[in-house]
Amino acid sequence: DTAVSQTPKYLVTQMGNDKSIKCEQNLGHDTMYWYKQDSKKFLKIMFSYNNKELIINETVPNRFSPKSPDKAHLNLHINSLELGDSAVYFCASSHDTGNTEAFFGQGTRLTVV
Amino acid sequence: QKEVEQNSGPLSVPEGAIASLNCTYSDRGSQSFFWYRQYSGKSPELIMSIYSNGDKEDGRFTAQLNKASQYVSLLIRDSQPSDSATYLCAVRGRGSTLGRLYFGRGTQLTVWP
Repeated sequence: DTAVSQTPKYLVTQMGNDKSIKCEQNLGHDTMYWYKQDSKKFLKIMFSYNNKELIINETVPNRFSPKSPDKAHLNLHINSLELGDSAVYFCASSHDTGNTEAFFGQGTRLTVV
Repeated sequence: QKEVEQNSGPLSVPEGAIASLNCTYSDRGSQSFFWYRQYSGKSPELIMSIYSNGDKEDGRFTAQLNKASQYVSLLIRDSQPSDSATYLCAVRGRGSTLGRLYFGRGTQLTVWP
């Protein structure tokens, strides 16, 4: 039973398109995250939600918009995709925002052509 | 961001040796620290968490924390080829950065038979 699952696993799309990535966790956690891992494997936080409320919004272009319909789901919508958006996007969750570890989904490899 | 720095490697050790991975962090008040392992093409997987100064052992893995020196390390004893992966150090933010889990750039470890 997958704890943090995201879909799709692979996404290939043309520049200028709009796409969404979905994430769900069945761990009962309050906090969810989106991370971007670039080609050099650096994991950078993009957004975090706690109980459906946005608590972290790093310096991310406005083309990226997260949405959390409930605390078990966190989706990421990307408008007007650019070549530089190509990366692996990871969803993660943690029990809360305190001193707790995060668990990651399997990642979505986005390729913009 | 340079909140978390790791020796970039790559690190190559023979099977059966001890692999030593190091990490320093900039926020002196950080309270929780994590080591993740990431195999190529896979998601980060938590292997150790540590919150107090000293050593914490789990099987072949030992995490060491020295808050005065702002230093965390991971020792892997009796290294196996299956330990070959990228190891990511992560540190929880606090205060204005509460909720953030900052990652280092990772150290690539190769264990050769």
